[in-house]
This record gives sequence, structure tokens and C-alpha cells, in this order.
Amino acid sequence: RKEVEQDPGPFNVPEGATVAFNCTYSNSASQSFFWYRQDCRKEPKLLMSVYSSGNEDGRFTAQLNRASQYISLLIRDSKLSDSATYLCVVGHNDMRFGAGTRLTVKP
Amino acid sequence: ETGVTQSPTHLIKTRGQQVTLRCSSQSGHNTVSWYQQALGQGPQFIFQYYREEENGRGNFPPRFSGLQFPNYSSELNVNALELDDSALYLCATTPGRGGEETQYFGPGTRLLVL
Repeated sequence: RKEVEQDPGPFNVPEGATVAFNCTYSNSASQSFFWYRQDCRKEPKLLMSVYSSGNEDGRFTAQLNRASQYISLLIRDSKLSDSATYLCVVGHNDMRFGAGTRLTVKP
Repeated sequence: ETGVTQSPTHLIKTRGQQVTLRCSSQSGHNTVSWYQQALGQGPQFIFQYYREEENGRGNFPPRFSGLQFPNYSSELNVNALELDDSALYLCATTPGRGGEETQYFGPGTRLLVL
């Protein structure tokens, strides 16, 4: 079993749609959780940290369920500029990345 | 931008050769981590250095080695290159001991092994 597993995707959605990404992790001792965004042929960039209480940043909402070892990212009102690969990242003594879920938002 | 730089940006090598990739840390960042990202995959953790000492290692063979210098810049060395080593190599820095903190990535080095 992979340490961090994400929806395989790809997701193709129209502008304005709401899209949800799911992620599960295997190490119950993991202590930090993030979503990163990676544009084509670029480096990953932090989108948001994920906290146990859930957190929101504009159109983006992240949730963490430690009991189920599950992380989610919700994007509301999708924009063309949201097209990218979204990486779920889990930290223990180091950072482990999921394979990423590719999102394409179409006009 | 993150302030993390990597060199070279692209590199072509042949099987069996050796390669050295370099990373300059963002000011004030003590920890550097190296990742390998194959096409269509997420970054895979290679190892991490904190204040010039290796501070964790992923599932990579010993022919992958590294160094961190007093100014916190870093090198990744790969010996006896194999075709499967073709990937994007990313370094990421953090201000503290690293591990679970937000990682700030450099733009990466694209390595092609022929």
C-alpha cells in the first residue's frame, strides 16, 4: 500500500464547478498535512496547510479526519487558472507526497 | 518566488556516468530535502540534511548521496546512472529542522539518462 494515495483523476470540469479531491495516508503517526499545487513543468507550491479543525482560504476548503486518515480539498467556483496537479502531502519525520490529481477547468 | 535556486536546469547524461546537482537554500533555512519526481508521479523523498548532517533518508540506494555545506547550500550526487534515474530532481528548504514543516521548492533540475 502506498503511504499517500490520491484520486487518480484526471478531473475535467467546467468553469464555476465545485470539485473535491480525496487523499488517504497510511502512517497514523503523521503530524502535518498539506495540499500543494504543481503547474505543468514547474515546481510544487504550497496551496494550504490542513488542520484538524478544517480550514478555508477563499474558494478552497481543506478537511482532515485523523481517525479515518483521510484528507480532502474542495474547490468552489472553479477558475481556468485552477488547472494544475494537486498533490496531497503528509509529514512525519519527512514529507511524503501522493501521486497527484490533475485538474483541468474548461471554459 | 521562494528564493531557492537549483543548477543546472537541464542535464543529459549516459548510463553509468555520475552527476552532481546543486541547490542554494533560501536565506535562514537550515534544512534541505531532495526529491525525485518521475513523469506522472509525485515527488519521492530521497534524503534530508539539517546543519550539514543527514537527517532522514527515503528508499533510495547508496549511489544517491548528498552534502550540505556551512552556508546550507547542498549537492545531490548520483553515481552509476541508470535509465530510470531520468526525472525532475527537486530540492526544498525549510527554516527549522524540517521534516513536517512547509517545504519551499526550487525550480528543479531535469535529468535525462540515455
